This record gives sequence, C-alpha cells and structure tokens, in this order.
Amino acid sequence: GAVVSQHPSWVICKSGTSVKIECRSLDFQATTMFWYRQFPKQSLMLMATSNEGSKATYEQGVEKDKFLINHASLTLSTLTVTSAHPEDSSFYICSARSIDSWGEAFFGQGTRLTVV
Amino acid sequence: DQQVKQNSPSLSVQEGRISILNCDYTNSMFDYFLWYKKYPAEGPTFLISISSIKDKNEDGRFTVFLNKSAKHLSLHIVPSQPGDSAVYFCAASALQTGNQFYFGTGTSLTVIP
Repeated sequence: GAVVSQHPSWVICKSGTSVKIECRSLDFQATTMFWYRQFPKQSLMLMATSNEGSKATYEQGVEKDKFLINHASLTLSTLTVTSAHPEDSSFYICSARSIDSWGEAFFGQGTRLTVV
Repeated sequence: DQQVKQNSPSLSVQEGRISILNCDYTNSMFDYFLWYKKYPAEGPTFLISISSIKDKNEDGRFTVFLNKSAKHLSLHIVPSQPGDSAVYFCAASALQTGNQFYFGTGTSLTVIP
C-alpha cells in the first residue's frame, strides 16, 4: 500500500515550547490529510482536516490557535502544537487520502508527544 | 458525540476459531466503512473496506459484513491466528460531508495459541 511518513516518531519538550510534526505522503499525492489524537486506551479522535492550499477545518473543541496545521503541498502537512502543556501529551497520528481516491486513507506511524 | 461505536472493548478467541468484531454507527450518511488494525505506539494499518452499495466484502481470512438498516457492521476473522492480536478500529466516512473518517473506540483482540 501507499506510504505515509510521520516525523518525529517521538518527542519530549518543555512546557511552553512549540513542537512541529510532519506528515508526508511518499509515493502518492494527497489532496486531503487528517490529524488525529489518541489518548491511552481510547479511540482516534479527529482533530482537523486539511486540504492542500486552504485552511484546515477543525473539529469542535479543538483549538485552532493551539494546533496549527499547514498543508503546503500535495505531499506535506504539518501540525504545530504551540505553547505545549502537559495535557497536550498524547499520541498524534496523521493520515492521507490519495488524490485519485475518496476511499482508503493511509496512516503515518504516529508521534508520541510528551510535555514535561 | 460518538458516531461510531464498538461496544466490546476486548475479545479473546482461541487460535483457529472465528473472531467477530462488531461496530455500530448512528450517522445514516456514512457510505464507506473500513477496518483498521493497530499495534501500540504505531499508526493504524488498513485491513478491509466496504462501501454502502455492498453488504459483504471478503479478503482472505477477513470478511466485513454491512447491515445498513441496522447501521451495523462486523469483521470476521477466520481462522484466527496469534498474530491477529491487536486493537481493531472500525471507521466510517461520508462523501457528502467531507470524507473525514470517524473511528470507533476500538476492540482489543487476543488470540490465544
């Protein structure tokens, strides 16, 4: 299947700093990328949907000023957690849907963020 | 509001037997459904999908059944293998509302050798 690369796979940062997570589709063009957050033993919660060249659509309850999403190209989307706090510690996963298909989405390997 | 639900958080099955994982949804606009398998600290891996025009899709040991009137889908794994032990998520999307996926809460499957 198609490959989505997410980087970094884990990061530890100090409270108050910002962290950027990258999501790249390696062998296909993705018009739409999704960002999810997973708390321990819970489901994947959709945070936002980003379309290339336009502003991201955030789910209710997700602070768009805190979680900045940029979808600069058809192969790259970034999530920046600004002024991170310990409660932002979580597992963040991106997924990308091919420009050729509205069906299956492919997932990155996830990023474990720990804010200390 | 959880639009996709998996009411069984865990399931244990003997190796070689059938595993049946269930998923219910509330949004009648959902028209595409998927099952993903996930190991801890990894991203989900796609398993199998079904569109709303079908009621069954089969791929090797994995079969997904869709009952639109009941808003219910299930994943059958036959025969179950120890390597199938993981968390399984069902997901649903609707073409008319942007195609984003909504996930169920997951079912942790343990296949006992």
